[in-house]
Amino acid sequence: DAGITQSPRHKVTETGTPVTLRCHQTENHRYMYWYRQDPGHGLRLIHYSYGVKDTDKGEVSDGYSVSRSKTEDFLLTLESATSSQTSVYFCATTGSGNTIYFGEGSWLTVV
Amino acid sequence: KQEVTQIPAALSVPEGENLVLNCSFTDSAIYNLQWFRQDPGKGLTSLLLIQSSQREQTSGRLNASLDKSSGRSTLYIAASQPGDSATYLCAELSSNTGNQFYFGTGTSLTVIP
Repeated sequence: DAGITQSPRHKVTETGTPVTLRCHQTENHRYMYWYRQDPGHGLRLIHYSYGVKDTDKGEVSDGYSVSRSKTEDFLLTLESATSSQTSVYFCATTGSGNTIYFGEGSWLTVV
Repeated sequence: KQEVTQIPAALSVPEGENLVLNCSFTDSAIYNLQWFRQDPGKGLTSLLLIQSSQREQTSGRLNASLDKSSGRSTLYIAASQPGDSATYLCAELSSNTGNQFYFGTGTSLTVIP
């Protein structure tokens, strides 16, 4: 358990509204990730961070932005939510030996 | 982009049976491979991690193996129980792409009492 907390856990929002998902970790891990999980696609990387203010794009970054102002927090923002962004979002961190740990997920529905 | 494949997508077995789940990967520069369990509506729980220098890892009734030359990993579950019912995913970490993990789409396991 890497002490990863995601908020909110469930959210319904309207198309075109901004949405921010928060990931908080207590283990001081350097790397943090945001994935989305969809049927038939598995887990796909949106963005990741390798330190405070150091982020990079993943496979499906269009329409998403991230920020990391503190080691423990990694924010994912949907600037203008679309129905295609309805998904389950997982935050993850890597610890010793490059073991990856996941949060419990955030279920987002865009209507 | 590295490819990770898990076949079959779904598997049903009677309780008590031993079973093997498969994971294939294309990366020749694999750093490690990790197996996870995911219950419905939950996050992923790490089961076993095998470093590229290792051949296998064991935890209780679970044994994971890694064969880099053939690009395959297996997860062996002994004496399966209904509580083992879940989706099992594998993920590989490449030595070539920084700290990015590549996930399979999982095998959904049902153990029938």
